[in-house]
Amino acid sequence: GAVVSQHPSRVICKSGTSVKIECRSLDFQATTMFWYRQFPKQSLMLMATSNEGSKATYEQGVEKDKFLINHASLTLSTLTVTSAHPEDSSFYICSALTTGGNHEQYFGPGTRLTVT
Amino acid sequence: QKEVEQNSGPLSVPEGAIASLNCTYSDRGSQSFFWYRQYSGKSPELIMSIYSNGDKEDGRFTAQLNKASQYVSLLIRDSQPSDSATYLCAVTSQGAQKLVFGQGTRLTINP
Repeated sequence: GAVVSQHPSRVICKSGTSVKIECRSLDFQATTMFWYRQFPKQSLMLMATSNEGSKATYEQGVEKDKFLINHASLTLSTLTVTSAHPEDSSFYICSALTTGGNHEQYFGPGTRLTVT
Repeated sequence: QKEVEQNSGPLSVPEGAIASLNCTYSDRGSQSFFWYRQYSGKSPELIMSIYSNGDKEDGRFTAQLNKASQYVSLLIRDSQPSDSATYLCAVTSQGAQKLVFGQGTRLTINP
């Protein structure tokens, strides 16, 4: 299957600071990537759809000014959590959509964010 | 009614037996169907995709799709303790890219 990487895998930051998470498709080009958040023992929650070269589409209730998404190339999307607060502590996971033929979503390994 | 429904379990199966996971969906326009496996603390991993009615086999895994009855299932043969995980059923509709997930079924394989 296709490979998606995320960096960093784990980050601890202080309240009020910003954190950037990178998502890369390593062996395919992805015009569309997705960002999810998952709290312990809960389901995946889609935050936004990231399209290369255009603005991201955010799900209802997700603050676009707080969660900045940039998809500047066909292999890289970034999520920046701005002015992080302890309630933003979560497991952030990206996925990338393969193109051509069957469209399948492959997930990155996730980034565990802890805001102190 | 939820768009994609799964029995949340937990489902316990003895090692070596067949584990059967079921999923129903409400949107008749759904076109693509996926099974993901998620270990605790890890991200989901795609294990099967199916697009047309019938069975699709890959190693110990068989996905079954019945669009008329709006259900998709996953069979795991010769279950191993390493198969213990949460299995997520996901569906996309025609023209849509977003996955709609079920709540997941927690599977435990008992040695």
